Amino acid sequence: DADVTQTPRNRITKTGKRIMLECSQTKGHDRMYWYRQDPGLGLRLIYYSFDVKDINKGEISDGYSVSRQAQAKFSLSLESAIPNQTALYFCATTKGRDNEQFFGPGTRLTVL
Amino acid sequence: QKEVEQDPGPLSVPEGAIVSLNCTYSNSAFQYFMWYRQYSRKGPELLMYTYSSGNKEDGRFTAQVDKSSKYISLFIRDSQPSDSATYLCAPGGSGGGADGLTFGKGTHLIIQP
Repeated sequence: DADVTQTPRNRITKTGKRIMLECSQTKGHDRMYWYRQDPGLGLRLIYYSFDVKDINKGEISDGYSVSRQAQAKFSLSLESAIPNQTALYFCATTKGRDNEQFFGPGTRLTVL
Repeated sequence: QKEVEQDPGPLSVPEGAIVSLNCTYSNSAFQYFMWYRQYSRKGPELLMYTYSSGNKEDGRFTAQVDKSSKYISLFIRDSQPSDSATYLCAPGGSGGGADGLTFGKGTHLIIQP
């Protein structure tokens, strides 16, 4: 079984809709991250969380919100989706100050 | 200037060739240097990890770091079609708020059979 899972894997939605992307991990890691990946722009950090009560904005948090429901779950929400939020979204985890990040399989989101 | 610069490619080479992938970075505070490999429709996976200047070898892969010139390289010997992927350099440990990695945009590598 995958250590970091993301649901859904693909989603097509319309402008203005609320969307939630979910991430779960069985690695027992405390730190979780949300990135988006766009062609030509690479991976950009949206939000990160060091534990359930510690959530921080990343490089590009505008238009997004997150919820850390438990150590193992970190959700990303788009309150009112817009077309330029069309991208590949990745969740990642790491343990403490360990440097290696473990990535989920990604969610491909298309906003029409 | 971006913190991490990486040529996006695509870089296309014949099977068996030696491949050189490169990154430059601007933040001298970076303490460790990683290379991630990302296959199409997959998440990135750690390939190589080094703390210091010099070379680190793992099988057909060699990571090279030159902190004085802020230059990172990944060499692949005897390249195989299965090496076709996007390679992202990721220096880290600069003490930023996320205490994490800064990713290059990735180089798309194609190994021709």
